[in-house]
Amino acid sequence: DIVMTQSPDSLAVSLGERATINCKSSQSVLYSSKNKNYLAWYQQKPGQPPKLLFYWASTRESGVPDRFSGSGSGTDFTLTISSLQAEDVAVYYCHQYYTTPDTFGQGTKVEIK
Amino acid sequence: QVQLVESGGGLVKPGGSLRLSCAASGFTFSDSYMSWIRQSPGEGLEWVSYISSGGSRIYYADSVKGRFTISRDNAKNSLFLQMNSLRAEDTAVYYCASHNGSGSSPRQYWGQGTLVTVSS
Repeated sequence: DIVMTQSPDSLAVSLGERATINCKSSQSVLYSSKNKNYLAWYQQKPGQPPKLLFYWASTRESGVPDRFSGSGSGTDFTLTISSLQAEDVAVYYCHQYYTTPDTFGQGTKVEIK
Repeated sequence: QVQLVESGGGLVKPGGSLRLSCAASGFTFSDSYMSWIRQSPGEGLEWVSYISSGGSRIYYADSVKGRFTISRDNAKNSLFLQMNSLRAEDTAVYYCASHNGSGSSPRQYWGQGTLVTVSS
């Protein structure tokens, strides 16, 4: 199974400041012939299901604010919130769908400092 | 709009059975791969199973293989998870989720989840 490791486990950021979450996979999730990284990011607020933010590592889901961005390739990926808003407090998960079983990172909790 | 509504969760004793259902609306269910994903209390996300749009391709996590069975009824826009020989470690919120494409695709829409508690 591909192991997804996120860092940090939690971070506290001041309103309006940048938040950066890293995700590392134990093997590449880049499908070379399609030039696509099989990597998604989700946001989960308390008491709610996960919400898809990005897929193919950097394709923003409809309705996701552009202060969110996804980047990376191969085994190293990043989710960035350029200017943290109060409504961004949540746990964020990366997810590889390159191979079965799908696997998720352990989550990163983002809070306001 | 897209809606996925899970039901069927509850308290069950170890070794017991439950059948979860997921009612889908707002999209073409019969064209969509579907997954069950679970989340233990205070923990992360674990993929459980997925089924292709027509039901011919089915995959399970090793942790549930031989005990859980996924199925679907496209005429009724419904997804199911039959859970047998339940263990304490199966305690979790179970979400149904639609794929944004084939099996190897992100989970685009999620239901609110149904809680399964396995305890004596």
